[in-house]
Amino acid sequence: GQQLNQSPQSMFIQEGEDVSMNCTSSSIFNTWLWYKQDPGEGPVLLIALYKAGELTSNGRLTAQFGITRKDSFLNISASIPSDVGIYFCAGVGRSGATNKLIFGTGTLLAVQP
Amino acid sequence: GAVVSQHPSRVICKSGTSVKIECRSLDFQATTMFWYRQFPKKSLMLMATSNEGSKATYEQGVEKDKFLINHASLTLSTLTVTSAHPEDSSFYICSATGSSSDEQFFGPGTRLTVL
Repeated sequence: GQQLNQSPQSMFIQEGEDVSMNCTSSSIFNTWLWYKQDPGEGPVLLIALYKAGELTSNGRLTAQFGITRKDSFLNISASIPSDVGIYFCAGVGRSGATNKLIFGTGTLLAVQP
Repeated sequence: GAVVSQHPSRVICKSGTSVKIECRSLDFQATTMFWYRQFPKKSLMLMATSNEGSKATYEQGVEKDKFLINHASLTLSTLTVTSAHPEDSSFYICSATGSSSDEQFFGPGTRLTVL
């Protein structure tokens, strides 16, 4: 099935560092979502983006919806150990009357205390 | 609010047996439920979408006779993996949306191991 490409695949950083990851697609999406998944858990929504060019923040997290509607990035500032996990972007596509999520390949973040 | 649970959280079964996984919306009525499969270190892949009271819509490449989905009520959907084989071992995650929003709320997942 279709997937969105995320980079980098993994990141190993020191506590306090800023992090940036991005997500690209060959298709246009009208909504982009960013999720975090802890080991053995389901994903949790972090930020939702609804408009091309939109920049949205949620605490230390900031995400932008690319102008072309084919990409998005997520920044985490001043990382802390609990930021560890896998970060997924997702594009929202329409299938009939239902919105379906197309997930990215994921970025694994490890934070060294 | 918007809590989704799954049961069991982990299951180990012998090859050839069938396994049922439940997905419940605890504090809202789920008009649509989704089932995903996630292999280790991989992304979530949508398997099927189910609306209460109607047949599930399966994604391309997902065998509907092997992965039986029932969405009999507005708070419960079940996924039955029939005649399970080791290659069906995976992390199965459900999500649900209510009538007031398109946001999908995810369950905690079920780890299936087929021996």
